[in-house]
Amino acid sequence: QVQLVQSGAEVKKPGSSVKVSCKASGGTFSSYAISWVRQAPGQGLEWMGGIIPIFGTANYAQKFQGRVTITTDESTSTAYMELSSLRSEDTAVYYCARFFRTSTSHYYFDYWGQGTLVTVSS
Amino acid sequence: DIQMTQSPSSLSASVGDRVTITCRASQSISSYLNWYQQKPGKAPKLLIYAASSLQSGVPSRFSGSGSGTDFTLTISSLQPEDFATYYCQQSYSTPGITFGPGTKVDIK
Repeated sequence: QVQLVQSGAEVKKPGSSVKVSCKASGGTFSSYAISWVRQAPGQGLEWMGGIIPIFGTANYAQKFQGRVTITTDESTSTAYMELSSLRSEDTAVYYCARFFRTSTSHYYFDYWGQGTLVTVSS
Repeated sequence: DIQMTQSPSSLSASVGDRVTITCRASQSISSYLNWYQQKPGKAPKLLIYAASSLQSGVPSRFSGSGSGTDFTLTISSLQPEDFATYYCQQSYSTPGITFGPGTKVDIK
């Protein structure tokens, strides 16, 4: 059983950066993809990007290119999402999720972290 | 990016009702379509993957159908625990994953 546990809530000033962690247990961390999805208050789900630890290369949604960095530390089975140049519109709950690939190359998010609230306010 | 739309954006229904939610993609995505349920303050939960495959542990009253650009999620007999928001998500374009805007199901 895979479990993803995220770091706690953050309050940040506009223009600063935030780094959220996602520690995995169960399964083989290095072989599965981790994605980050955010949800602004009262809004829908928005994919930000993802990474497969064994490959080490992250892919990002165009909207966040240049502002988001997703990394992993295989020694601790932890994924990180760092978002820079924060603005008030970045206030949201940030989720990590495992992006699972089936034998027929279908992908879906099957395990999710509990979410981390990031509040950007002066 | 592939755009996803859902209809309706919200609906009111009673326990025992049959509920159908529609999701449409801006281009053909074959069967690369998943459905999630989200309750307030909780992470989304996978219900259906590959358009029609029921995720393990999900009640059989949930079903999905469709291919190409048009998809549906059906709840055959709505239960009290089903009041939630439902999202579709395409995985045809990866990277470039997109979600629908959601359909909120509440109590009539």
